[in-house]
Amino acid sequence: DAGITQSPRHKVTETGTPVTLRCHQTENHRYMYWYRQDPGHGLRLIHYSYGVKDTDKGEVSDGYSVSRSKTEDFLLTLESATSSQTSVYFCAMINEQFFGPGTRLTVL
Amino acid sequence: QKEVEQNSGPLSVPEGAIASLNCTYSDRGSQSFFWYRQYSGKSPELIMSIYSNGDKEDGRFTAQLNKASQYVSLLIRDSQPSDSATYLCAVNMNNYGQNFVFGPGTRLSVLP
Repeated sequence: DAGITQSPRHKVTETGTPVTLRCHQTENHRYMYWYRQDPGHGLRLIHYSYGVKDTDKGEVSDGYSVSRSKTEDFLLTLESATSSQTSVYFCAMINEQFFGPGTRLTVL
Repeated sequence: QKEVEQNSGPLSVPEGAIASLNCTYSDRGSQSFFWYRQYSGKSPELIMSIYSNGDKEDGRFTAQLNKASQYVSLLIRDSQPSDSATYLCAVNMNNYGQNFVFGPGTRLSVLP
């Protein structure tokens, strides 16, 4: 959906490096979510935000942090990437049933 | 731990047949139920939602909910090759977005 974009779409990085994924929405929605999707696990919630500077942890938040300084941007940071964080990451405005296109992250 | 279970498949059906996808969930307090379709390499897209027991029909799709059995299903009539995708079941306990729980998905293959 054109109302929600993610960058980068693909990234390969090395273990131990920091990585930031960006989610940008143009719909002025309050709630935004970061999920990861892995084979056999479905989508799992990492963090979510219910407003500017208001965030909370999801099911699999260890090793991740988020920030939301503007309504339109929700950033997901892997402080020190590990191979277990190799995944596809989706940003979503799930209350409105919008998913971003996803970011495929590979940690070598 | 709230769980949503689905048969991973692949489920193969011939073109024109009915595809039946099943989902069970563990949290008896769950209130809303969703089916998403996800094509390979793409993001999930919502195809059906259901909130009360019984059947809900939308075109070729029918969602069925049985809260007593903690079971929700999706029927696809007149299956087409374009229906080949992974179907995700999602359950929401209290209508707050952070309480969505997704199943692992069932891969459907519709054979021409």
